[in-house]
Amino acid sequence: QVQLVQSGGGVVQPGRSLRLSCAASGFAFSTYAMHWVRQAPGKGLEWVALISFNGGNEYYADSVKGRFAISRDNPKNTVFLQMNSLRAEDTAVYYCSTDRDDYWGQGTLVTVSS
Amino acid sequence: DIQMTQSPSAMSASVGDRVTITCRASQGISNYLAWFQQKPGKVPKRLINGASTLQNGVPSRFSGSGSGTEFTLTISSLQPEDSATYYCLRYNTYPLSFGGGTKVEIK
Repeated sequence: QVQLVQSGGGVVQPGRSLRLSCAASGFAFSTYAMHWVRQAPGKGLEWVALISFNGGNEYYADSVKGRFAISRDNPKNTVFLQMNSLRAEDTAVYYCSTDRDDYWGQGTLVTVSS
Repeated sequence: DIQMTQSPSAMSASVGDRVTITCRASQGISNYLAWFQQKPGKVPKRLINGASTLQNGVPSRFSGSGSGTEFTLTISSLQPEDSATYYCLRYNTYPLSFGGGTKVEIK
């Protein structure tokens, strides 16, 4: 069955870095563009980034541009979100999802706090 | 960037009621709009794509309409399991943007 299994969340100090992973199985991962979406505690959904199916194109929300980088490893069926210069306002549950067919990871909490 | 304004932010309705949620774009976005449902503690679920195309398995009481700058999600007969927060998502250009959400509660 289709699965997106996320890892890499946790507590990190402001200014530090963290990398999230999202491992896919059960579908043709290399043919799907992939999103990262986040949700701050008690708040709404915020789109973060997208990478095209082959990694050739990346797009970012203004709030993370220049600090976050999305990447993928198609042979390993995994998409990543490298988060640098983290701020308190980046505290959220982060979800990976496919661009079509509505597959979502389980979400991983990132807490930025000193 | 194009902003999405969703209304109301919260509402309460009775089982069987017709419920309408609106999303307005600050610029025309053709029909590049999706609607999502999110229940507490759960991942979002896409209900509608292309402003009006119901996704597989979504009950027919859900419908979407609109084009350009104004869009609506309608639940024709509210059911207890529809208690959730609903979000619109604009996807015509990057960066994408969600509306602020509408929390629907059952009276």
